[in-house]
Amino acid sequence: QAVLTQPASLSASPGAPASLTCTLRSDINVDTYRIYWYQQKPGSPPQYLLRYKSDSDKQQGSGVPSRFSGSKDASANAGILLISGLQSEDEADYYCMIWDSSGCVFGGGTKLTVL
Amino acid sequence: EVQLVESGGGLVQPGGSLRLSCVASGFTFSAFSMSWVRQAPGKGLEWVSSIKQDGDEKHYVASVKGRFTISRDNTKNSLSLQMTGLRVEDSAVYYCARGQVTTFLPFDYWGQGALVTVTS
Repeated sequence: QAVLTQPASLSASPGAPASLTCTLRSDINVDTYRIYWYQQKPGSPPQYLLRYKSDSDKQQGSGVPSRFSGSKDASANAGILLISGLQSEDEADYYCMIWDSSGCVFGGGTKLTVL
Repeated sequence: EVQLVESGGGLVQPGGSLRLSCVASGFTFSAFSMSWVRQAPGKGLEWVSSIKQDGDEKHYVASVKGRFTISRDNTKNSLSLQMTGLRVEDSAVYYCARGQVTTFLPFDYWGQGALVTVTS
């Protein structure tokens, strides 16, 4: 089982919210980790969006709009990237990441389509 | 302006070696941890290696341990990745990424990447 699991794809309409999930392997407690989120558009390197562990331990990337936010669903053992008011420019691949005992681990990525 | 510029990518046969370099500018290189992240064509991101500011602490993904070596020269604002025993599955775009002053994460600035192709 992968350490971090993300849905391969997600579609949403302009102006609507989008919730991207990053599920941690069952033996890893989401409460323990800072979860990092990245956005990557075709032909470009990834861009750091934000970090979320709790409401008191979070960080927005430099210049990242406030409509990108992080949260957690403890019952699902998952981190969540919430994008409010989707825009066409938000169409991209999104990756979650943690640092565990082995080093840095990325999720497989979610391709977000805005249609 | 923070800039990271990778070089050294290319075509190499399985079992061969290659050395990637990343030259940094626009920030105090010696104050930040640095990392390499790769992305195979059409695939997701995979962390490869990280190094602390003074080079004393290094980490590698299991698949490259013993084959890749990360290093840095703070006098030249340069990060390197020496890759030996290359395999077809090492083919990817390799990104140089800046970490933080007190931790490895997040990677807040990335280079444009260097393409490594391992093929016979």
